[in-house]
Order: sequence, then structure tokens, then C-alpha cells
Amino acid sequence: QQQVKQSPQSLIVQKGGISIINCAYENTAFDYFPWYQQFPGKGPALLIAIRPDVSEKKEGRFTISFNKSAKQFSLHIMDSQPGDSATYFCAATAYGNKLVFGAGTILRVKS
Amino acid sequence: DGGITQSPKYLFRKEGQNVTLSCEQNLNHDAMYWYRQDPGQGLRLIYYSQIVNDFQKGDIAEGYSVSREKKESFPLTVTSAQKNPTAFYLCASSIVPGAGELFFGEGSRLTVL
Repeated sequence: QQQVKQSPQSLIVQKGGISIINCAYENTAFDYFPWYQQFPGKGPALLIAIRPDVSEKKEGRFTISFNKSAKQFSLHIMDSQPGDSATYFCAATAYGNKLVFGAGTILRVKS
Repeated sequence: DGGITQSPKYLFRKEGQNVTLSCEQNLNHDAMYWYRQDPGQGLRLIYYSQIVNDFQKGDIAEGYSVSREKKESFPLTVTSAQKNPTAFYLCASSIVPGAGELFFGEGSRLTVL
């Protein structure tokens, strides 16, 4: 119940395309869903996050879509750029508890 | 600049030796964490501390030890009991325990020869 399942494991997208990464969870107590971006040799950094009271959140080219009934959420990167090439982690937590991470998706944007 | 500093960035050790990884933060955060990252396995929690002089085991604590004598510092010792210590180690902090936003250091890559 504590797992967050992330797919795909890796993704190659052409420059200008849309990158989509999906995550699914079981624990209905989760109330905060962040996405982290990690460049090679660096630590992850918070990219965007959503709470279950909204179905979508957009920040620039990055959008989180959230489907509470399906217990799924996804990250969409519009107009993907080579500089977006990184590893992306979805995560989830219930208030006051530890963050649970997905396994990560390695994104490569080809120029 | 506020942030988390991990050292060393790269470390090589012989099998059977203990090694200590340093983590210092100047964000005045209460909570600190250690994660291990292996390819395809995401971030796995080793230990975390919610307050000075207190810490709890995470999901993969065996073969590791920590201390939290100061708010700013949370060193991790990888002992000889850790069967597969070669990995990328990440230290993180959060304003309060359980906060969803973690601030990560740049990591320490340990290679055991």
C-alpha cells in the first residue's frame, strides 16, 4: 500500500514533443504528490507538486494531471527540450509521514 | 547561500572498511534524511532524524549508522556489515518532519573495491 509505481523506466522524445510519465498509488491517505527532477551527478530538486483537491496544475511547460478515482497522476512536459533530459521521480506522502518515491524515469530529449 | 553540503563527492574504499559521509545544512531545517540511489530502484530511505539526538531507521538501515548531535549535521557511516555499499548516497532535509518538499545535497558516490 505504500508503493508508488512509475512508468516508463526510460523515455526518448524528440525535441518539441510531449513527454509523459505516469504514476499510480494505492494508499488513499496520500495527500501530496510532488515530482522531482534530477540531473546526472546532482541531487533531485522539487519540480512541481499537486494536492488531490485539484485535477491539474501547470507551471510553465510542466503539467501534473491528477485522477483521484483512478489513483493515478502524471507529469506532462510540453515542447520538450534537450535541457529537460534528466531522471524524473514521482512521490507521494500522507501528512506528517515519509515521502514514498517511484523508481524513476530516465528522459532523453533528442535534438 | 543556504543549502545542503555533502562531502566527499567521490570516495573509494577497500572492502571491510567503515566510511563516514558528511552532511551539513544551513537551512535551519528540523528534519534530515539519508537516501541510497541505485539504478532502476529509485530513492530508498536509510535513516531519518526529526530532531537533534533522535533518529529512526528507514527501509534499508542494515549496515548503516547515523548520529544527530547538532541540528546542522547528520553524518552517515557505512559499516563493513553493509553487503553491497557501492552506491550514490543522498542527504536531504525538510523544514519540518513529514514535509513533502525535500531539499537534497549533490550526493556522494561511494565505490568499494
